[in-house]
Amino acid sequence: DAGVIQSPRHEVTEMGQEVTLRCKPISGHDYLFWYRQTMMRGLELLIYFNNNVPIDDSGMPEDRFSAKMPNASFSTLKIQPSEPRDSAVYFCASSYREGVTEAFFGQGTRLTVV
Amino acid sequence: TQLLEQSPQFLSIQEGENLTVYCNSSSVFSSLQWYRQEPGEGPVLLVTVVTGGEVKKLKRLTFQFGDARKDSSLHITAAQPGDTGLYLCAGDNSGYALNFGKGTSLLVTP
Repeated sequence: DAGVIQSPRHEVTEMGQEVTLRCKPISGHDYLFWYRQTMMRGLELLIYFNNNVPIDDSGMPEDRFSAKMPNASFSTLKIQPSEPRDSAVYFCASSYREGVTEAFFGQGTRLTVV
Repeated sequence: TQLLEQSPQFLSIQEGENLTVYCNSSSVFSSLQWYRQEPGEGPVLLVTVVTGGEVKKLKRLTFQFGDARKDSSLHITAAQPGDTGLYLCAGDNSGYALNFGKGTSLLVTP
């Protein structure tokens, strides 16, 4: 398996623009997580899905953020409109089940909003 | 959200030295994981500890879970430049998604 695949690897956009980050989890994994990493706040959980259904989105910072998982092999995280404070590395991870089992991370998308 | 505090935040040592990094919380965890993250990559799991007082060894790395399952430590013996990276602890308190500490950034120079 190729692992968790995220695209794009880097994104530079202007403030106010819509940004869409994409993730393909490992086949067979039931859980998909979106995290955001910054120096100040570390790795923060934004939202996670179980069998394509959003379970906990309490970490989504504002209504400008939305996430979808239309099928077991694809998820998106959208920011509209983007702001400079959204600049961070966004990670997608998947696992067989929540908790004790290993979370497999993608390489991340480095987002810069200017 | 259960808070995981990691210390020290930064550590710079020379090859061959020993070091210990810590992960502490006021909450009890059913399990705790340690990940290492290299620049430009996502975190990769090193170990999972489940039982209070548990000690696990991975070559030169020794992981310990506190008796009360609220804290953990990672000890590296004879550090090597290849150990350089960000070490993250992550807790699972009752089956929910992992909550991560901010990490310890380790630099090992030759």
